[in-house]
Amino acid sequence: EAGVAQSPRYKIIEKRQSVAFWCNPISGHATLYWYQQILGQGPKLLIQFQNNGVVDDSQLPKDRFSAERLKGVDSTLKIQPAKLEDSAVYLCASSFPGGNTIYFGEGSWLTVV
Amino acid sequence: AQSVAQPEDQVNVAEGNPLTVKCTYSVSGNPYLFWYVQYPNRGLQFLLKYITGDNLVKGSYGFEAEFNKSQTSFHLKKPSALVSDSALYFCAVRDEGDYKLSFGAGTTVTVRA
Repeated sequence: EAGVAQSPRYKIIEKRQSVAFWCNPISGHATLYWYQQILGQGPKLLIQFQNNGVVDDSQLPKDRFSAERLKGVDSTLKIQPAKLEDSAVYLCASSFPGGNTIYFGEGSWLTVV
Repeated sequence: AQSVAQPEDQVNVAEGNPLTVKCTYSVSGNPYLFWYVQYPNRGLQFLLKYITGDNLVKGSYGFEAEFNKSQTSFHLKKPSALVSDSALYFCAVRDEGDYKLSFGAGTTVTVRA
């Protein structure tokens, strides 16, 4: 079974530039999550989707971050404009609705210089 | 509110010795507990979970964890550590009535040959 796919794996951008990350969840997983993992910390939930609806985006810095999941499958996370403190790993994850276990992708590693 | 504490930033053991990674949690209701492992430049891999039932849970790669309700702990254990177990380990919890998964800050395990 294919896992959660993410791209790009690595990205280096200058501050004030924009970047987009793509995620394809495990087949059949209606719930999709974006987490931010800053070096030395545990992952922090940015946004959770159920199909193409937002369940929780309370931790998403909406002045610069946006996310969408238009057809209830793939998702895109965008940062514009990027700040130095956005340097982190952006982890996409998915689960069955109400499922207990969340499965993570390999992550997209962002460095803002 | 729910939270997780991993009191040790680092754990160092010799290959073949027992490995224990500590985790304590706080939730208002019944806890759902998880362990994930992260290898360098990789995403999080699911190891095991406790939802209900037997307090001793067995997972991937020979790992197990013991749920202790009175001590609000969920320590990860492996009877005989391997060099390949060297990685970053995260404990996570969510309340039975909540969808949010909260992670600890992680414990770096180093197994020396």
